[in-house]
Amino acid sequence: DAGVIQSPRHEVTEMGQEVTLRCKPISGHNSLFWYRQTMMRGLELLIYFNNNVPIDDSGMPEDRFSAKMPNASFSTLKIQPSEPRDSAVYFCASSLREGEAFFGQGTRLTVV
Amino acid sequence: GQSLEQPSEVTAVEGAIVQINCTYQTSGFYGLSWYQQHDGGAPTFLSYNALDGLEETGRFSSFLSRSDSYGYLLLQELQMKDSASYFCAVNSGNTPLVFGKGTRLSVIA
Repeated sequence: DAGVIQSPRHEVTEMGQEVTLRCKPISGHNSLFWYRQTMMRGLELLIYFNNNVPIDDSGMPEDRFSAKMPNASFSTLKIQPSEPRDSAVYFCASSLREGEAFFGQGTRLTVV
Repeated sequence: GQSLEQPSEVTAVEGAIVQINCTYQTSGFYGLSWYQQHDGGAPTFLSYNALDGLEETGRFSSFLSRSDSYGYLLLQELQMKDSASYFCAVNSGNTPLVFGKGTRLSVIA
């Protein structure tokens, strides 16, 4: 398996624009996580899906953020409208076993 | 919610042993994971402890005490390539894998 695949790897966008980040989890994994990483706040859990169903979205910062998982092999994280403070590395991870998650290479988002 | 505490930085000499501690507060605790992240890279899984005691995987070991809400990662025979950030993460019920702020390990010659 190629591992967790995220796209794009880098995104630079202007404030106010919509940003969509994509993730393909490892085949057969039943849990999917979206994280945001910054120097100040560390690795924050944004949302967690189990069997394509959102279980905990308490980490989603505000209504500008939304996440979907229409099927077991695809998920998106959307920010609309984007703001400079959203600049961060966004990671997607998938898991089958408790405690053990596999991370994608991340999307580095810069909002100017 | 969950909270985790780990030292922000640790420095150790090549060939030595280093211990990175993690204390946590959470409800519905299931287990404690450890991850390694090199600069510019993604976190990678090292170990998971669901039961009390020591788990050994090569040069790395991880320990858990559920009664003390405490765990640690032990790295032996340190190598320069071990310089990285190390994160503990709690698995608790409906919110698995909440990470601590990470410990930056610097291995010096």
